[in-house]
Amino acid sequence: DVKVTQSSRYLVKRTGEKVFLECVQDMDHENMFWYRQDPGLGLRLIYFSYDVKMKEKGDIPEGYSVSREKKERFSLILESASTNQTSMYLCASRRDRASDEQFFGPGTRLTVL
Amino acid sequence: AQKITQTQPGMFVQEKEAVTLDCTYDTSDPSYGLFWYKQPSSGEMIFLIYQGSYDQQNATEGRYSLNFQKARKSANLVISASQLGDSAMYFCAMREGPRNTPLVFGKGTRLSVIA
Repeated sequence: DVKVTQSSRYLVKRTGEKVFLECVQDMDHENMFWYRQDPGLGLRLIYFSYDVKMKEKGDIPEGYSVSREKKERFSLILESASTNQTSMYLCASRRDRASDEQFFGPGTRLTVL
Repeated sequence: AQKITQTQPGMFVQEKEAVTLDCTYDTSDPSYGLFWYKQPSSGEMIFLIYQGSYDQQNATEGRYSLNFQKARKSANLVISASQLGDSAMYFCAMREGPRNTPLVFGKGTRLSVIA
């Protein structure tokens, strides 16, 4: 079974803090993705990575950056957290570009006060 | 323009009845894939079913089937014999173009199954 884990289920941070959300997958998948989920808006793609040290902007990259130093780990960074970044963050992985299914982690619910 | 449209924010269905969750999509690419995911209250996203644009037959997986109408650009999810455990958010998603593109999701439909 593919396992995608995220470092925290719940996180509370203050405005202006630097926040790291970690995602790890254990199936040697090449592709990894970060989405945020908000009520009424569905899932929106923030950043994705096709391989180590590669990154691509998604639909809403503003205010975020990512890091993929190792194949199994994809980090989402909020350089200076703001209240409008309060959301559920979902990480996903996919075997490679020829695959279809994306496997999701359990999500991190981030609250920025 | 929205790529994936789910027009039903919420749906109710009686236990053991069938229910259809609507999804329409917008793409000009002849190669695409359509997905349905289930998200229970626990938050994890569970893959349910996949339909490729060149697939001749509608996809089925147990109690789930995908009613794929290419000309109408619709990919409705049909759940037969609803169970209480089917209560969840359901998301339709599309991979547009070659396989290397990320999934684009709709806004979701909340399904409530009533005993």
